[in-house]
Parts: sequence; C-alpha cells; structure tokens
Amino acid sequence: SYELTQPLSVSVALGQTARITCGGNNIGSKNVHWYQQKPGQAPVLVIYRDSNRPSGIPERFSGSNSGNTATLTISRAQAGDEADYYCQVWDSSTAGVFGGGTKLTVL
Amino acid sequence: QLQLQESGPGLVKPSETLSLTCTVSGGSISSSSYYWGWIRQPPGKGLEWIGSIYYSGSTYYNPSLKSRVTISVDTSKNQFSLKLSSVTAADTAVYYCARGWMVTATAPGAFDIWGQGTMVTVSS
Repeated sequence: SYELTQPLSVSVALGQTARITCGGNNIGSKNVHWYQQKPGQAPVLVIYRDSNRPSGIPERFSGSNSGNTATLTISRAQAGDEADYYCQVWDSSTAGVFGGGTKLTVL
Repeated sequence: QLQLQESGPGLVKPSETLSLTCTVSGGSISSSSYYWGWIRQPPGKGLEWIGSIYYSGSTYYNPSLKSRVTISVDTSKNQFSLKLSSVTAADTAVYYCARGWMVTATAPGAFDIWGQGTMVTVSS
C-alpha cells in the first residue's frame, strides 16, 4: 500500500516562512491535497491538486509537488496558523491515503 | 451552503456493529459531481480514510478495514451511512463524514466539506 511520510513537527518564527513536506514514492505523479486541523475541529482543505487554494484560503498558503516530495508553504506565518497539517493522495483512484500529520508551532 | 452532520451512538460494545449516518443539508446528495466519504481519527492520532461511495453507487474501502465496512446511500433521505462490524477498542475514534468532488467520472479529488465529527467509544 502507498505510504506518505510527514515530519512530526515543524516550528517557525512569527512572520517567517514554514515549509511542511510530504514524502511518497513518485508522489509528483499524484495530486496532493493538504488539510489544516485545529484542536477540537474538523479538518479544513487548504490546498488541492498540489497548488490550488480553495476560496477563502489566504494567498500565504501555497503548495508544490515534484519527484518524491510535496511541500506546503505558509508565508508570513501567523499565530492562527498553528495547527496540524495533513497531506492526502488517492492511490490508484480508489484508496485514500493520509500522511501522519505535522504539528506546526509558531514561535 | 452545504452542511454535513454525523449522528449515531457514542458508545458501542466490543464485537458489535458501529452504525453512523451523515445527513446532508443545503444540497443534494444525488450529484455526479461529488462523492461521499468517511474518515476517522483515534484520540491523539492522525486521520485514516475509511471508505467512499460514488454517485454510481461504487464503493471503495480501506484495505485494512474492507472486511468489516459497508457504506451506503439513501437518496430519499439525503443521507449516507457507515457500518463497521466486529468493533474493538482500536475502533474508538472521532468519525467524520465528508464530501469530495470528482475530477473525472472515475477520479476523486479532495474532501472539500467535512462534518463536525462524532466521537465513538468502543467499550463494554
């Protein structure tokens, strides 16, 4: 089965740029989606199909995907960006796979 | 605006069947543009995809749960449901229902709308 690997935690200084990676075998050939989850809340889609932002998501959120790594980039990080972030792909279009999640801390 | 709401027992005994329903409001469940799914999250852990059902009625399940899972749709009630049999303590989790859009007729996209989630505890 397909596996996605994320770092357990990432820290970023207030106002700086955070990068959260999602590793998988030839993940660049798949569409990667990213979700933000704050404590006690349901996940929220922040990036779909590698680099597209849903309506209402700030431009500070961006994504890229190439080779074996997809990356979620959060520019000008704010305290409100503190959350868990999950990447997700479809393996063969019929099996959903989530990464283990990354806790983002804004210092 | 489309909303999803999970409902069902918060406590299930070991070896019994967990049954949850997701009610869709503000839109129709009968659209070929979307699919419907269940995702769960054990306490303090990450997200796990359980399964999805497409407009065509096709269902796809997590291989690790496939033998125990059934997802179905009731279009007359604008609801879809999850049944997970022979539960154990390892099935204790927050269960989310979610909507995703279809990129093509056979290729799913992201989950764009989620329910608030419902906690299910497996215990005697």
